[in-house]
Amino acid sequence: QKEVEQNSGPLSVPEGAIASLNCTYSDRVSQSFFWYRQYSGKSPELIMSIYSNGDKEDGRFTAQLNKASQYVSLLIRDSQPSDSATYLCASEANSGYALNFGKGTSLLVTP
Amino acid sequence: DAGVTQSPTHLIKTRGQQVTLRCSPKSGHDTVSWYQQALGQGPQFIFQYYEEEERQRGNFPDRFSGHQFPNYSSELNVNALLLGDSALYLCASSLANTDTQYFGPGTRLTVL
Repeated sequence: QKEVEQNSGPLSVPEGAIASLNCTYSDRVSQSFFWYRQYSGKSPELIMSIYSNGDKEDGRFTAQLNKASQYVSLLIRDSQPSDSATYLCASEANSGYALNFGKGTSLLVTP
Repeated sequence: DAGVTQSPTHLIKTRGQQVTLRCSPKSGHDTVSWYQQALGQGPQFIFQYYEEEERQRGNFPDRFSGHQFPNYSSELNVNALLLGDSALYLCASSLANTDTQYFGPGTRLTVL
């Protein structure tokens, strides 16, 4: 069974702080990794994708991948109340095929 | 540029009934994937359609079937509905063999 594991949270951070979201995966053949944001009652929205070991930055978001440890993380700098949502981590073994999602981590940014 | 659209938005059915959900992919996309998201869970992959064929299937029973039309739109059919089929059904579109999948707004199915 291919597993993507996330802490369900909620993770609570004050406004302006760095939020750190973590994800581990069990399928070593996974090649691509994604972070989606999902507001309550809405559909997932892609934030970032990462394919190689190391860091990838996009605005306030940084994704980190360590394939040896089978670990993916998402850092959100200068967190805003509007960042409050569930963050879904997903892996993909073959390009363009099924995404394997974790259960998501609920993030609450308090003013 | 129209994004992924799904219909209907909400649907209420009773056990044993059949349901059809519809999806139109983002302009330029030719691949449609369907996911089921139960409350408090991540999306679970049902199947993917490309070139009007089911290309990959997740761990769902045969009660779940689908179709893709020549214009790349897709349908998800669920027969003999169970209470446990109550969920948000998400359609995602992509360009074949590329990674990025874009999700539609979903259809909320309630089975009573």
